[in-house]
Amino acid sequence: KQEVTQIPAALSVPEGENLVLNCSFTDSAIYNLQWFRQDPGKGLTSLLLIQSSQREQTSGRLNASLDKSSGRSTLYIAASQPGDSATYLCAVINSGGSNYKLTFGKGTLLTVNP
Amino acid sequence: DAGVIQSPRHEVTEMGQEVTLRCKPISGHNSLFWYRQTMMRGLELLIYFNNNVPIDDSGMPEDRFSAKMPNASFSTLKIQPSEPRDSAVYFCASSFRQVETQYFGPGTRLLVL
Repeated sequence: KQEVTQIPAALSVPEGENLVLNCSFTDSAIYNLQWFRQDPGKGLTSLLLIQSSQREQTSGRLNASLDKSSGRSTLYIAASQPGDSATYLCAVINSGGSNYKLTFGKGTLLTVNP
Repeated sequence: DAGVIQSPRHEVTEMGQEVTLRCKPISGHNSLFWYRQTMMRGLELLIYFNNNVPIDDSGMPEDRFSAKMPNASFSTLKIQPSEPRDSAVYFCASSFRQVETQYFGPGTRLLVL
């Protein structure tokens, strides 16, 4: 059974700092890995999707990397801003078979202080 | 597009009552997912459909939960009878294909007293 772990559970940084969020998964046979953002009281918003054959994806100040063999992904946020404050979740889809459900980590709560 | 639409946004009910949550996926999306989120357990997949057919319902807690997708533009999640431990936020999400980016609705906050 796939398990996804995110460390740290919470992170507080001053504005302008570069930061890294970590995600690990126990079964490396994945189809893709996705990073989401969740604002308080809202639904999830997709940030980046990395296919299993890719090493990284970039969108603006966000860069996500994937090391499938070691079961790890990182989300790098450059020049953090107070508006980046949210919970960040990673999720994986396992390959094989016809069931492509996402397994989520419990998220990292990020607070960027002005 | 209006995105994934869920109703109601909030529901307060008493134990034993029937609860029906509704979802309208993004037009053209072929996969629909129901999730439940709690502080203790995080985000859990309850069931998902592909082309209106249930693919995985292993996350449905017990027989009190049921989900239907009668057509490509509508799905329901029903709890009967409801219990206090069902209190959570229920999200619906849709995607063009099963393995592609999922788009989430705003969620339904359910409180069972």
